[in-house]
Amino acid sequence: RKEVEQDPGPFNVPEGATVAFNCTYSNSASQSFFWYRQDCRKEPKLLMSVYSSGNEDGRFTAQLNRASQYISLLIRDSKLSDSATYLCVVPASGGSYIPTFGRGTSLIVHP
Amino acid sequence: SAVISQKPSRDICQRGTSLTIQCQVDSQVTMMFWYRQQPGQSLTLIATANQGSEATYESGFVIDKFPISRPNLTFSTLTVSNMSPEDSSIYLCSVVAGSNEQFFGPGTRLTVL
Repeated sequence: RKEVEQDPGPFNVPEGATVAFNCTYSNSASQSFFWYRQDCRKEPKLLMSVYSSGNEDGRFTAQLNRASQYISLLIRDSKLSDSATYLCVVPASGGSYIPTFGRGTSLIVHP
Repeated sequence: SAVISQKPSRDICQRGTSLTIQCQVDSQVTMMFWYRQQPGQSLTLIATANQGSEATYESGFVIDKFPISRPNLTFSTLTVSNMSPEDSSIYLCSVVAGSNEQFFGPGTRLTVL
């Protein structure tokens, strides 16, 4: 099993839709998780951190399921500007911080 | 947070030459990473560059090809040596600040002819 797995998509949704992505991870000892957003030809930027069961910020909700070893990102009321690639990051646990990135999930929001 | 700048932002180079990419951070950070991202792909970690010690390279990357310097807590360089077209990619510098939150530089877009 790969360390971090994401469905590459693309997820093609209309404006206003609710869309959710999952990210599965193999390191059961990981304590913190992150969602990054990457726009085309731009660097990744932190979207949300997930340290416990979940985190909510406006239209975005991240949830953690430790038993099944996945994190999810829910986007409500999708906007055209939400179109981007969403990267899941799971740092390795113990010792030095070594981040492992998923390959990203592409989201396209259309009018 | 951390603000990161990279130079150059892009370059077109001839096969066999070398390019040094600079990464400057606006605050002192211990952990710094160099990534490569090829078109349509996710980020691939090249090496971890901590100040005061040699860089730690990931599988598939070697110091002779990608020498790294980390002279202080705000600066690092990555050199892509003896370039070939397969080295064409975006190279990103990244640091960890706060609670394991990572911040990225804008990237250096390299094209090797």
